[in-house]
Amino acid sequence: NAGVTQTPKFQVLKTGQSMTLQCAQDMNHEYMSWYRQDPGMGLRLIHYSVGAGITDQGEVPNGYNVSRSTTEDFPLRLLSAAPSQTSVYFCASSYNPESGNSPLHFGNGTRLTVT
Amino acid sequence: DAKTTQPTSMDCAEGRAANLPCNHSTISGNEYVYWYRQIHSQGPQYIIHGLKNNETNEMASLIITEDRKSSTLILPHATLRDTAVYYCIVRQWTGTASKLTFGTGTRLQVTL
Repeated sequence: NAGVTQTPKFQVLKTGQSMTLQCAQDMNHEYMSWYRQDPGMGLRLIHYSVGAGITDQGEVPNGYNVSRSTTEDFPLRLLSAAPSQTSVYFCASSYNPESGNSPLHFGNGTRLTVT
Repeated sequence: DAKTTQPTSMDCAEGRAANLPCNHSTISGNEYVYWYRQIHSQGPQYIIHGLKNNETNEMASLIITEDRKSSTLILPHATLRDTAVYYCIVRQWTGTASKLTFGTGTRLQVTL
């Protein structure tokens, strides 16, 4: 039972480069989301999706794009990396987004450094 | 947005109960309280959640006050492996989606 799988675990980029952080879940969850975690700031929501073809912005969406073509996958794209995007990124998913009675399951994160 | 307030850090002796408080005075009637923990830089681990009744599972107990303005997470017999940052979160329904907003959490240090 894989749960939420994130790849890669570590990544170093130069300023201006682009990349895609991958996230996949095998639990048939409707809701998927991306967070970033910076020291002393807890986790901040970047983008989320309530189902295939539907995405929306969280509290810190600038510099990131997402799409949701399948239920299983929710990639996060950095089009032009900046040092301010150095962070640890977590993907998370859950059942029925309309219900509050549904725990969010997290992946183990991608540690991104932009130089 | 419903916000939570937690102490920045707490200590607990191994084998004793760890009681972690959380204030969520602006919580709405249909919003759940969730607790997660994070060990080092791993992904947050789900612990327990509840609406208004007290809850217990194999990891912990959750006590929610009658007015739902605060809650307490109880780890009945803390071990060194329970050393982590614990997050109390209110799950919010925005009208289009359910979102969890994380604060900065409580750093629990379990000592011998």
